[in-house]
Amino acid sequence: LAKTTQPISMDSYEGQEVNITCSHNNIATNDYITWYQQFPSQGPRFIIQGYKTKVTNEVASLFIPADRKSSTLSLPRVSLSDTAVYYCLVGDPFFRGGADGLTFGKGTHLIIQP
Amino acid sequence: DAGVIQSPRHEVTEMGQEVTLRCKPISGHDYLFWYRQTMMRGLELLIYFNNNVPIDDSGMPEDRFSAKMPNASFSTLKIQPSEPRDSAVYFCASSQLLTGGGYGNSPLHFGNGTRLTVT
Repeated sequence: LAKTTQPISMDSYEGQEVNITCSHNNIATNDYITWYQQFPSQGPRFIIQGYKTKVTNEVASLFIPADRKSSTLSLPRVSLSDTAVYYCLVGDPFFRGGADGLTFGKGTHLIIQP
Repeated sequence: DAGVIQSPRHEVTEMGQEVTLRCKPISGHDYLFWYRQTMMRGLELLIYFNNNVPIDDSGMPEDRFSAKMPNASFSTLKIQPSEPRDSAVYFCASSQLLTGGGYGNSPLHFGNGTRLTVT
């Protein structure tokens, strides 16, 4: 049973705000939501992590509703360099669930056009 | 901090040969992960270690694959014998378990991977 579901691909334009939603209906009490970004020929890079409500850093914001069954990664004013694959992971950040929370899947391929 | 270092960057070998991939995690990190990435299957977890001890190897495809972590600063992933279907990018990642208040935050730090081609 897949822990997360996210769109395979998305398109947007420079300067726009991009929102990528991830569904995780079976999220457990101890689970956190973590997003990674991967550029071609590189390993994934941590973007943001949250448990509930809203988290913001210098790169993105993460919105998590009260039921925590989904989350939305928000990228403000994207540029061409934001073209990448974005992964949503759900799991215990202290690795108490074993390999749960370490499954990346295929992610969302975000393409930014001029 | 040099980050996670993987070698070689590229490896081309013939079917049946032994392949050894190497990883140096970030100093002080107590978790190490090996992943494999292909177009068909995406990014798959193969095995991970905690304090040099293998914790979960359920992702290792078959007995041809083995991984070791003889010390905190080095790990290997070996394929013997290699097959064309093993062609993929293999990533190593490390993490440091953070304790204390606030958000749990143990992000994985990935190397740049080893692109393996088996002909």
